[in-house]
Amino acid sequence: NAGVMQNPRHLVRRRGQEARLRCSPMKGHSHVYWYRQLPEEGLKFMVYLQKENIIDESGMPKERFSAEFPKEGPSILRIQQVVRGDSAAYFCASSPGARAETQYFGPGTRLLVL
Amino acid sequence: GENVEQHPSTLSVQEGDSAVIKCTYSDSASNYFPWYKQELGKGPQLIIDIRSNVGEKKDQRIAVTLNKTAKHFSLHITETQPEDSAVYFCAAIWTNDYKLSFGAGTTVTVRA
Repeated sequence: NAGVMQNPRHLVRRRGQEARLRCSPMKGHSHVYWYRQLPEEGLKFMVYLQKENIIDESGMPKERFSAEFPKEGPSILRIQQVVRGDSAAYFCASSPGARAETQYFGPGTRLLVL
Repeated sequence: GENVEQHPSTLSVQEGDSAVIKCTYSDSASNYFPWYKQELGKGPQLIIDIRSNVGEKKDQRIAVTLNKTAKHFSLHITETQPEDSAVYFCAAIWTNDYKLSFGAGTTVTVRA
């Protein structure tokens, strides 16, 4: 019974490059959430997606960041033209439904921008 | 959005003693309160949760209490063991919402 999977676990990018983070939710879960954790801080909500739909992207920066959850395949968080301030741990969570459903987290992708 | 404050930021306890972490929330309409444990280099792991229609919930050495009037909830770990050392996060979800609002975390160290 696989949990939430994320890859890569570690990602190093130079300023100006693109970062693609992938998340496969738990089996049977159709709701995906992305959170960002800066060093020594708690997690901050970025975006909530269902299959083929972005439900809420209020926590995601308007520029350079985008997310998708296609009908087939994992959810992708894409960061274009990365800057050093993007260095953080990015966690994906999934739930079987919405509205105060329990969210299960993946191991995260640690992004380092040089 | 929901504002969650967590105290203390660090907690050191002797093995076998109890650890208590407290969180307060701002939105009285919040109705779901999970606690997560995060070990170094790993993702948050749900350890216990409570909904607003319940005042207390226990699972072996871990318990959570909720005071809706005062808008605070607490995590209690009894008979602490070295493997309890980790960062613990409280969180809350507002009724009819889905975003988890996290506290800043508590680093718990259990001294052998």
